Amino acid sequence: AQSVAQPEDQVNVAEGNPLTVKCTYSVSGNPYLFWYVQYPNRGLQFLLKYITGDNLVKGSYGFEAEFNKSQTSFHLKKPSALVSDSALYFCAVRDKNYGQNFVFGPGTRLSVLP
Amino acid sequence: EPEVTQTPSHQVTQMGQEVILRCVPISNHLYFYWYRQILGQKVEFLVSFYNNEISEKSEIFDDQFSVERPDGSNFTLKIRSTKLEDSAMYFCASRRQPNQETQYFGPGTRLLVL
Repeated sequence: AQSVAQPEDQVNVAEGNPLTVKCTYSVSGNPYLFWYVQYPNRGLQFLLKYITGDNLVKGSYGFEAEFNKSQTSFHLKKPSALVSDSALYFCAVRDKNYGQNFVFGPGTRLSVLP
Repeated sequence: EPEVTQTPSHQVTQMGQEVILRCVPISNHLYFYWYRQILGQKVEFLVSFYNNEISEKSEIFDDQFSVERPDGSNFTLKIRSTKLEDSAMYFCASRRQPNQETQYFGPGTRLLVL
């Protein structure tokens, strides 16, 4: 069975500092991995994905994530946080060999403090 | 940039009533999905739809639920007899084609069953 863990409910970071939002996953086959962001009263906005190729993927708004197969992780990072990055972040996985649906993590609330 | 749209944004209904949630996927997309997010919980997959039929569904998607693509643009989720526990945010998503893995989400419909 597929599963996604986001070990931190909340991450606080000062504006201008680097941020990391952690994600680990479990799939039986090879994963497709995604990060989405949810602003208040908005839907899920796609940030970035790993399908194949380079382990470091770059996405929208300066975010990037690194796929680490040995650690089954896909942590989201940004070198310099903005207050406007404050939102709820979801990691999602799809097992290449098992259906089309995404399995989402529980979400991590990021607060960037001015 | 094309977006997935959903109507209504909010719906309040009495237990036992039928509700229809509507979605307009991105126009050249072929795969359609419904997810739900109960308040404070993770986003959960309900159903996927391709080529005018359900391709996958979760155990949540029981006989009370149905989906339809009544015309070339709309994709609907019907709940026949709502229960209190159906209260949630319902997200529609669409995906373009088999080798385009990203699902694009709508803003959601918040359903409250009283």
